[in-house]
Parts: sequence; structure tokens; C-alpha cells
Amino acid sequence: GQQVQQSPTSLVLQEGENAELQCNFSTSLNSMQWFYQRPGGSLISVFYNPSGTKQSGRLTSTTVIKERRSSLHISSSQITDSGTYLCAMERTNTGKLTFGDGTVLTVKP
Amino acid sequence: EAGVTQSPRYAVLQEGQAVSFWCDPISGHDTLYWYQQPRDQGPQLLVYFRDEAVIDNSQLPSDRFSAVRPKGTNSTLKIQSAKQGDTATYLCASSLTGSNERLFFGHGTKLSVL
Repeated sequence: GQQVQQSPTSLVLQEGENAELQCNFSTSLNSMQWFYQRPGGSLISVFYNPSGTKQSGRLTSTTVIKERRSSLHISSSQITDSGTYLCAMERTNTGKLTFGDGTVLTVKP
Repeated sequence: EAGVTQSPRYAVLQEGQAVSFWCDPISGHDTLYWYQQPRDQGPQLLVYFRDEAVIDNSQLPSDRFSAVRPKGTNSTLKIQSAKQGDTATYLCASSLTGSNERLFFGHGTKLSVL
């Protein structure tokens, strides 16, 4: 089975609504990251988050390593937030990442 | 600072043909990764290097795939005899060991095998 499970698979919002994306890991991990990907675009790291809560603008990531879960909260969503959000875990301190399959977010006007 | 550069952006092949992908990482980054991302899935690690050494190639289909990084800078990933199942985007990423820095990804090469 997959080591990194993301939910929901897809999400459609009206502009201004909030989003909560979840990531669960089936094995112990050293750290995790959230990435953002536009269709046809490269992956951009949004948060590197070994544990705890981090905020950047309208985005907040909360990771509880010992519970093997992380969430990404997007407040007051904008159309430009549309794309795929991927989480990835690192099991050992090598930078070697295992990815989930992503949440496809669509924000409509 | 230039990002990770990959070429070509797109490739279309018939089954059995060969193809090479090229990656130029961020200057000074000692670690380089090749990922395969099938449509609607997350990236899956194929191989990664630290300088010129292969650290892990356990997920690289060794009968048809090969990857080199001879001078510890640029890297080439080659598929010797492509199959339809190889259709995917091939992503290169680089990072600096020990800095806990995030990975930086290139735009990828989108491969279609007909």
C-alpha cells in the first residue's frame, strides 16, 4: 500500500473559502514537505516542516511527527491557488522523499 | 540564481526507441535526484547522486534505464528501449546536503511513448 495518503483527492472551492488538506503516513518519518504544482509546471516547495506549525501568508502547515500526520490550511482561497498540492515524507536524513498522489485544488470565482 | 534546468521539455517516441534526458542542477548543489511522475500520481524516485556517486538506484529499471553524473554537476538519464508504461514526466531535482534545504525541481521532461 501507499506510504503517503493524501485527502481529499480533489477539492473545489469558491474564491474566499478555506481549504484543509490532509496527509497521513503509514511509517515513521524524519520530516515532511508540502509542494505545489501547476499543470505542466515544476514542483515548488511550500513548507519544509519537521514538526509543529508553520505559517506563510495565507498558508499554514501543522505536522505531528509522532502521529504521522500533517495538514495544510489555505485561508481565503484565491483563483491563483488552483493546482495540485503534494506532500512528501523523508524517512532518513538523506533528502530522499516519498510522495503522495496529491490533492487537486480548483478555486472558482 | 538559475534554477534546475532540464531538456528537452517534451519527447514523443515509438516503443523500442531510445531517449536521453539532461539536467543541470543549481550551482553548488551536491545532491541530484531523478523522479518519474506518471499522470495523476506523485513523483517516484528513480535514482539519486551525491556528487558523482550513485547513492540509491534501487527503483531504477536497470535493464532499460541508466543514469550518470560523471563530474558531479550535470546528469543524464537514458531509456534504452522505451515502453508505453514509461509514459510520464521525468523530474530532476537538486539540493545541498546537510542544510535541511528544500529540494528544487526542474520543469521536467514530458515523455509520451506511443
